[in-house]
Amino acid sequence: GNSVTQMEGPVTLSEEAFLTINCTYTATGYPSLFWYVQYPGEGLQLLLKATKADDKGSNKGFEATYRKETTSFHLEKGSVQVSDSAVYFCALGVYNNNDMRFGAGTRLTVKP
Amino acid sequence: SQTIHQWPATLVQPVGSPLSLECTVEGTSNPNLYWYRQAAGRGLQLLFYSVGIGQISSEVPQNLSASRPQDRQFILSSKKLLLSDSGFYLCAWSVEGGLDTQYFGPGTRLTVL
Repeated sequence: GNSVTQMEGPVTLSEEAFLTINCTYTATGYPSLFWYVQYPGEGLQLLLKATKADDKGSNKGFEATYRKETTSFHLEKGSVQVSDSAVYFCALGVYNNNDMRFGAGTRLTVKP
Repeated sequence: SQTIHQWPATLVQPVGSPLSLECTVEGTSNPNLYWYRQAAGRGLQLLFYSVGIGQISSEVPQNLSASRPQDRQFILSSKKLLLSDSGFYLCAWSVEGGLDTQYFGPGTRLTVL
């Protein structure tokens, strides 16, 4: 079945450090890939997405490239800020939102 | 613009008591609606989804149920809560059909004692 595996947290970084959160997937068909972010006390919100191989999603300085050859969609940011502290979820869907699969989430804490 | 509301924000209930969580969406018509549970240290588990009034699909067997009495209202219920029902419950909506961005509500933190 379809599934997503993302690196376990928590991840603690200093401000301006480089961030990578790994995400790999298993899917039948051709999935779309998503990163959602959950700030403290809030629901999830879409951060970025990519719908086909080699697409790069980007938003708020975050980037992720859909790599079919390595079945990966790693999240990166060149210089994190304290305000980036949140839980990040990798997700995939193949046909519709009803078959969306979310990773377990990675908690990021950025210290000043 | 579209907004999604959930209430209550937090709830503490004894084992065996009933549950009713409500979710409403504004600013859109015929949305797909979803209930997820986020247990501590785990990802999101899809519990129910609905593509229209009165149409509910259940993803996992459990003692919870869902109803959609109106186009933009989605209710999560239980007749008797279990300890294992504790968690963070999220409602979400998306445009009808297909694979698209989901928009999440602020969530309800449920603690069953």
